[in-house]
Amino acid sequence: GAVVSQHPSRVICKSGTSVKIECRSLDFQATTMFWYRQFPKQSLMLMATSNEGSKATYEQGVEKDKFLINHASLTLSTLTVTSAHPEDSSFYICSARVLVAGGSYNEQFFGPGTRLTVL
Amino acid sequence: GNSVTQMEGPVTLSEEAFLTINCTYTATGYPSLFWYVQYPGEGLQLLLKATKADDKGSNKGFEATYRKETTSFHLEKGSVQVSDSAVYFCAPDPTQGGSEKLVFGKGTKLTVNP
Repeated sequence: GAVVSQHPSRVICKSGTSVKIECRSLDFQATTMFWYRQFPKQSLMLMATSNEGSKATYEQGVEKDKFLINHASLTLSTLTVTSAHPEDSSFYICSARVLVAGGSYNEQFFGPGTRLTVL
Repeated sequence: GNSVTQMEGPVTLSEEAFLTINCTYTATGYPSLFWYVQYPGEGLQLLLKATKADDKGSNKGFEATYRKETTSFHLEKGSVQVSDSAVYFCAPDPTQGGSEKLVFGKGTKLTVNP
Protein backbone atom coordinates (compact mmCIF):
# COMPACT_ATOMS: atom_id res chain seq x y z
CA GLY A 1 0.00 0.00 0.00
CA ALA A 2 0.87 3.66 -0.17
CA VAL A 3 3.25 5.07 2.42
CA VAL A 4 2.81 8.23 4.44
CA SER A 5 5.66 9.53 6.55
CA GLN A 6 5.73 12.05 9.36
CA HIS A 7 8.63 14.02 10.69
CA PRO A 8 9.64 14.30 13.43
CA SER A 9 8.38 11.22 15.22
CA ARG A 10 8.96 12.85 18.59
CA VAL A 11 9.56 16.43 19.59
CA ILE A 12 10.01 18.14 22.92
CA CYS A 13 9.82 21.91 23.04
CA LYS A 14 9.59 24.73 25.52
CA SER A 15 6.36 26.55 26.19
CA GLY A 16 5.90 29.50 23.84
CA THR A 17 7.87 28.09 20.95
CA SER A 18 6.47 26.88 17.63
CA VAL A 19 6.77 23.38 16.25
CA LYS A 20 6.35 22.23 12.65
CA ILE A 21 5.29 18.69 11.77
CA GLU A 22 5.62 17.41 8.23
CA CYS A 23 3.43 14.85 6.54
CA ARG A 24 4.55 13.37 3.22
CA SER A 25 3.03 10.93 0.81
CA LEU A 26 6.05 9.01 -0.42
CA ASP A 27 4.90 7.19 -3.53
CA PHE A 28 1.67 8.87 -4.51
CA GLN A 29 0.05 12.25 -4.83
CA ALA A 30 -2.59 13.30 -2.35
CA THR A 31 -4.87 16.21 -3.05
CA THR A 32 -6.45 15.81 0.34
CA MET A 33 -4.72 15.20 3.65
CA PHE A 34 -6.14 15.14 7.13
CA TRP A 35 -4.72 16.03 10.53
CA TYR A 36 -5.86 14.24 13.66
CA ARG A 37 -5.05 14.64 17.32
CA GLN A 38 -5.19 11.81 19.80
CA PHE A 39 -5.22 12.14 23.56
CA PRO A 40 -4.15 9.21 25.73
CA LYS A 41 -6.64 6.36 25.73
CA GLN A 42 -8.97 8.25 23.42
CA SER A 43 -9.99 8.15 19.82
CA LEU A 44 -8.62 10.28 17.04
CA MET A 45 -10.09 13.75 16.82
CA LEU A 46 -10.16 15.22 13.34
CA MET A 47 -8.61 18.68 13.45
CA ALA A 48 -8.67 19.80 9.85
CA THR A 49 -8.86 18.82 6.21
CA SER A 50 -5.98 20.02 4.11
CA ASN A 51 -6.42 20.50 0.36
CA GLU A 52 -3.49 21.19 -1.91
CA GLY A 53 -3.36 24.79 -3.02
CA SER A 54 -6.17 26.04 -0.83
CA LYS A 55 -6.89 26.92 2.77
CA ALA A 56 -7.46 24.13 5.23
CA THR A 57 -10.92 23.46 6.57
CA TYR A 58 -10.88 23.31 10.36
CA GLU A 59 -13.25 21.39 12.57
CA GLN A 60 -15.35 23.22 15.09
CA GLY A 61 -13.38 24.14 18.18
CA VAL A 62 -9.95 23.94 16.53
CA GLU A 63 -8.10 27.25 16.51
CA LYS A 64 -6.82 27.91 13.01
CA ASP A 65 -4.39 30.57 14.22
CA LYS A 66 -2.98 28.11 16.70
CA PHE A 67 -2.67 25.17 14.36
CA LEU A 68 -1.42 26.43 11.01
CA ILE A 69 -1.78 24.01 8.12
CA ASN A 70 -0.05 24.39 4.78
CA HIS A 71 -0.53 21.99 1.87
CA ALA A 72 1.96 23.43 -0.58
CA SER A 73 2.34 20.43 -2.85
CA LEU A 74 0.63 17.18 -3.71
CA THR A 75 3.01 15.27 -1.48
CA LEU A 76 3.51 17.53 1.53
CA SER A 77 1.30 19.01 4.22
CA THR A 78 2.63 20.71 7.33
CA LEU A 79 1.08 21.41 10.70
CA THR A 80 2.64 24.18 12.78
CA VAL A 81 1.68 24.44 16.42
CA THR A 82 2.28 28.08 17.24
CA SER A 83 3.16 29.33 20.71
CA ALA A 84 2.85 25.83 22.08
CA HIS A 85 1.70 25.24 25.63
CA PRO A 86 1.66 22.09 27.77
CA GLU A 87 -2.01 21.46 26.93
CA ASP A 88 -0.96 21.09 23.27
CA SER A 89 1.02 18.00 24.20
CA SER A 90 -0.52 15.15 22.27
CA PHE A 91 -0.07 12.58 19.53
CA TYR A 92 -0.64 14.12 16.09
CA ILE A 93 -1.43 11.88 13.13
CA CYS A 94 -1.82 12.81 9.48
CA SER A 95 -3.42 10.83 6.70
CA ALA A 96 -3.68 11.06 2.94
CA ARG A 97 -6.64 10.01 0.87
CA VAL A 98 -6.35 8.15 -2.40
CA LEU A 99 -9.00 7.16 -4.87
CA VAL A 100 -8.44 3.47 -5.43
CA ALA A 101 -7.79 2.41 -9.01
CA GLY A 102 -11.12 1.81 -10.64
CA GLY A 103 -12.67 4.59 -8.56
CA SER A 104 -14.86 2.36 -6.45
CA TYR A 105 -13.84 3.82 -3.11
CA ASN A 106 -11.37 6.03 -1.31
CA GLU A 107 -8.73 4.69 1.01
CA GLN A 108 -6.84 6.64 3.64
CA PHE A 109 -3.25 5.97 4.54
CA PHE A 110 -1.98 7.13 7.88
CA GLY A 111 1.36 8.42 9.00
CA PRO A 112 3.08 6.90 12.04
CA GLY A 113 2.27 9.90 14.21
CA THR A 114 4.27 12.61 16.00
CA ARG A 115 4.48 12.74 19.77
CA LEU A 116 4.63 16.37 20.89
CA THR A 117 5.61 17.21 24.45
CA VAL A 118 5.55 20.83 25.54
CA LEU A 119 7.43 21.58 28.73
CA GLY B 1 -23.22 11.41 6.63
CA ASN B 2 -22.23 7.95 7.67
CA SER B 3 -21.70 6.86 11.26
CA VAL B 4 -20.72 3.78 13.21
CA THR B 5 -21.47 2.30 16.59
CA GLN B 6 -18.65 0.20 17.86
CA MET B 7 -18.44 -2.11 20.82
CA GLU B 8 -16.79 -0.30 23.68
CA GLY B 9 -13.85 -1.84 25.35
CA PRO B 10 -11.59 -2.55 26.81
CA VAL B 11 -11.58 -6.19 25.85
CA THR B 12 -9.18 -8.51 27.63
CA LEU B 13 -8.61 -12.04 26.38
CA SER B 14 -6.22 -14.87 26.91
CA GLU B 15 -4.03 -16.02 24.07
CA GLU B 16 -5.82 -18.32 21.59
CA ALA B 17 -9.27 -17.09 22.64
CA PHE B 18 -11.94 -16.18 20.09
CA LEU B 19 -12.44 -12.50 19.38
CA THR B 20 -15.51 -10.58 18.25
CA ILE B 21 -15.70 -6.82 18.10
CA ASN B 22 -19.11 -5.58 17.04
CA CYS B 23 -19.63 -2.73 14.61
CA THR B 24 -22.87 -1.46 13.16
CA TYR B 25 -23.22 1.44 10.79
CA THR B 26 -25.76 3.88 9.45
CA ALA B 27 -25.28 5.09 5.94
CA THR B 28 -26.85 6.29 2.77
CA GLY B 29 -26.51 3.48 0.31
CA TYR B 30 -23.83 0.86 0.72
CA PRO B 31 -20.44 2.41 1.44
CA SER B 32 -17.21 0.47 1.58
CA LEU B 33 -16.38 -0.54 5.16
CA PHE B 34 -13.01 -0.60 6.86
CA TRP B 35 -11.37 -1.87 10.00
CA TYR B 36 -8.25 -0.02 11.10
CA VAL B 37 -5.78 -1.10 13.79
CA GLN B 38 -3.52 1.07 15.92
CA TYR B 39 -0.64 -0.63 17.69
CA PRO B 40 0.79 1.10 20.78
CA GLY B 41 2.62 4.29 19.91
CA GLU B 42 1.89 4.08 16.21
CA GLY B 43 -0.46 5.52 13.62
CA LEU B 44 -3.37 3.65 12.08
CA GLN B 45 -3.10 0.84 9.59
CA LEU B 46 -5.81 -0.53 7.39
CA LEU B 47 -6.52 -4.04 8.66
CA LEU B 48 -9.17 -5.13 6.19
CA LYS B 49 -11.97 -3.85 4.03
CA ALA B 50 -15.10 -4.87 2.19
CA THR B 51 -16.36 -2.87 -0.74
CA LYS B 52 -19.84 -4.33 -1.24
CA ALA B 53 -22.55 -6.26 0.53
CA ASP B 54 -21.74 -9.87 1.43
CA ASP B 55 -18.04 -9.32 0.83
CA LYS B 56 -15.71 -10.76 3.42
CA GLY B 57 -12.55 -8.86 4.21
CA SER B 58 -9.69 -10.79 5.74
CA ASN B 59 -6.12 -10.18 6.85
CA LYS B 60 -3.74 -11.59 9.48
CA GLY B 61 -6.37 -14.10 10.59
CA PHE B 62 -9.00 -11.41 11.10
CA GLU B 63 -12.27 -11.49 9.17
CA ALA B 64 -15.31 -9.26 8.80
CA THR B 65 -18.35 -9.75 6.60
CA TYR B 66 -20.35 -6.86 5.18
CA ARG B 67 -23.95 -7.61 6.23
CA LYS B 68 -26.37 -5.14 4.69
CA GLU B 69 -29.45 -6.77 6.25
CA THR B 70 -28.13 -6.10 9.75
CA THR B 71 -25.93 -3.12 8.75
CA SER B 72 -23.03 -4.75 10.53
CA PHE B 73 -19.34 -5.37 9.95
CA HIS B 74 -18.23 -7.34 13.00
CA LEU B 75 -14.54 -8.16 13.36
CA GLU B 76 -13.61 -11.73 14.29
CA LYS B 77 -10.51 -13.79 14.88
CA GLY B 78 -10.51 -17.41 15.86
CA SER B 79 -7.33 -17.43 17.94
CA VAL B 80 -5.82 -14.17 19.15
CA GLN B 81 -2.18 -13.63 19.91
CA VAL B 82 -0.41 -11.27 22.28
CA SER B 83 0.76 -9.33 19.26
CA ASP B 84 -2.87 -8.52 18.41
CA SER B 85 -3.07 -6.20 21.41
CA ALA B 86 -4.05 -2.87 19.89
CA VAL B 87 -6.95 -0.48 19.40
CA TYR B 88 -9.37 -1.35 16.60
CA PHE B 89 -11.51 1.18 14.72
CA CYS B 90 -14.43 0.51 12.40
CA ALA B 91 -15.25 3.14 9.76
CA PRO B 92 -17.30 3.51 6.56
CA ASP B 93 -15.94 5.23 3.48
CA PRO B 94 -17.08 8.80 4.06
CA THR B 95 -17.01 9.85 0.42
CA GLN B 96 -19.77 7.44 -0.44
CA GLY B 97 -21.89 9.14 2.20
CA GLY B 98 -21.47 12.58 0.75
CA SER B 99 -18.68 13.65 3.08
CA GLU B 100 -14.92 13.64 2.76
CA LYS B 101 -14.10 13.36 6.44
CA LEU B 102 -13.18 10.01 7.94
CA VAL B 103 -14.37 10.34 11.50
CA PHE B 104 -13.68 7.60 13.98
CA GLY B 105 -15.60 6.29 16.90
CA LYS B 106 -13.92 5.60 20.20
CA GLY B 107 -12.30 2.41 19.08
CA THR B 108 -12.04 -0.84 20.97
CA LYS B 109 -8.90 -1.57 22.93
CA LEU B 110 -7.91 -5.20 22.90
CA THR B 111 -5.42 -6.66 25.37
CA VAL B 112 -4.31 -10.24 24.90
CA ASN B 113 -2.56 -11.87 27.83
CA PRO B 114 -0.16 -14.78 27.46
